[in-house]
Amino acid sequence: GNSVTQMEGPVTLSEEAFLTINCTYTATGYPSLFWYVQYPGEGLQLLLKATKADDKGSNKGFEATYRKETTSFHLEKGSVQVSDSAVYFCALSGGQGAQKLVFGQGTRLTINP
Amino acid sequence: ETGVTQTPRHLVMGMTNKKSLKCEQHLGHNAMYWYKQSAKKPLELMFVYNFKEQTENNSVPSRFSPECPNSSHLFLHLHTLQPEDSALYLCASSLAGTSGNQPQHFGDGTRLSIL
Repeated sequence: GNSVTQMEGPVTLSEEAFLTINCTYTATGYPSLFWYVQYPGEGLQLLLKATKADDKGSNKGFEATYRKETTSFHLEKGSVQVSDSAVYFCALSGGQGAQKLVFGQGTRLTINP
Repeated sequence: ETGVTQTPRHLVMGMTNKKSLKCEQHLGHNAMYWYKQSAKKPLELMFVYNFKEQTENNSVPSRFSPECPNSSHLFLHLHTLQPEDSALYLCASSLAGTSGNQPQHFGDGTRLSIL
């Protein structure tokens, strides 16, 4: 079956540091890939997505490239801010009808000033 | 404003109580979902509704009973819950696409505590 594996957290960085959160997946066919972010006390928000190989999703300075050859979708940001502190989830979906998302376990990110 | 509204935001109940969680979406979506989020565990998909029809039940105990009267509303009826059911319950909605590329939009969740 489909699965998503994220790097273990928590991750702690200083402001303006470079961020990478690794995500790899196992799937049949050609899934769509997503990054969601969850701020304290809130639900999940879509951060970015990519629907086919070599697509790059980007939003709020975050980027991720759909790499089919390495089955990866790593999240990157060049200069993080304190406001980026949150839990980040990698997810995939595929197939028709309702979108059945498979999530990774989440990575908690803390940015110190 | 996320477009998906969940009520109540917090709920404390005893194991013998009966309560319901409500979810409403204003995005024109036709698929709705219930997830359970527990500490230190991945998000667990509980139920999926596609055009008001239940299409997924992920081996959820019968003490959780979903209801989807129309494409905009989703309920989760709770009865005789156990302490391990304490968690954040998230509702989401999406368009029902043909290639899996439609993102889900989440509410802020109901924090449920079982005494």
